[in-house]
Amino acid sequence: ETGVTQTPRHLVMGMTNKKSLKCEQHLGHNAMYWYKQSAKKPLELMFVYNFKEQTENNSVPSRFSPECPNSSHLFLHLHTLQPEDSALYLCASSQDLSSGGNTQYFGPGTRLTVL
Amino acid sequence: SQKIEQNSEALNIQEGKTATLTCNYTNYSPAYLQWYRQDPGRGPVFLLLIRENEKEKRKERLKVTFDTTLKQSLFHITASQPADSATYLCALDTSGNTPLVFGKGTRLSVIA
Repeated sequence: ETGVTQTPRHLVMGMTNKKSLKCEQHLGHNAMYWYKQSAKKPLELMFVYNFKEQTENNSVPSRFSPECPNSSHLFLHLHTLQPEDSALYLCASSQDLSSGGNTQYFGPGTRLTVL
Repeated sequence: SQKIEQNSEALNIQEGKTATLTCNYTNYSPAYLQWYRQDPGRGPVFLLLIRENEKEKRKERLKVTFDTTLKQSLFHITASQPADSATYLCALDTSGNTPLVFGKGTRLSVIA
């Protein structure tokens, strides 16, 4: 138990659906992250929020839309996804982005399947 | 260009031996380097952090070295056990208020 929870743990959706992934951290951290990890591939950083402000968007398609209403919660809104978006979506948090303060604590992930 | 490389995609060793994993980087000047463990279908778990002015860090059966001249970190697991089988990721803390940069990982299999 890392103090970072993600819901749902598994999600199957059609290409025309709209769904949201939720992440919550109970660590008092100020930075939160979304990563994508496809099967047997490395982590791909998608979005970073620091003190509720988005600081990174790594050329992520607009069908993925993040939302960070406060420092404890992070959402990833999904719409009109493609089958190649099927992956493990991981949320992480860290104290902040400062050097030495950015050790990341990951949630268990949401396994997403797009049909 | 900036690169972070972990020596091999997969490493097989026999139980009881020491596993050594390598992380090399170019065109970075990290203040810290971190190592994580990831089991299949789960998020990575933080293991150890080493600062640029530290040569070595230990935690139980784990040892990490950091050579800023060679631009390399070595991660050792002594007396390895099948339960140590996982993917191990190194991550650079490049300072300047930026996120960690993760390597692709090395998948370690410890064979009984």
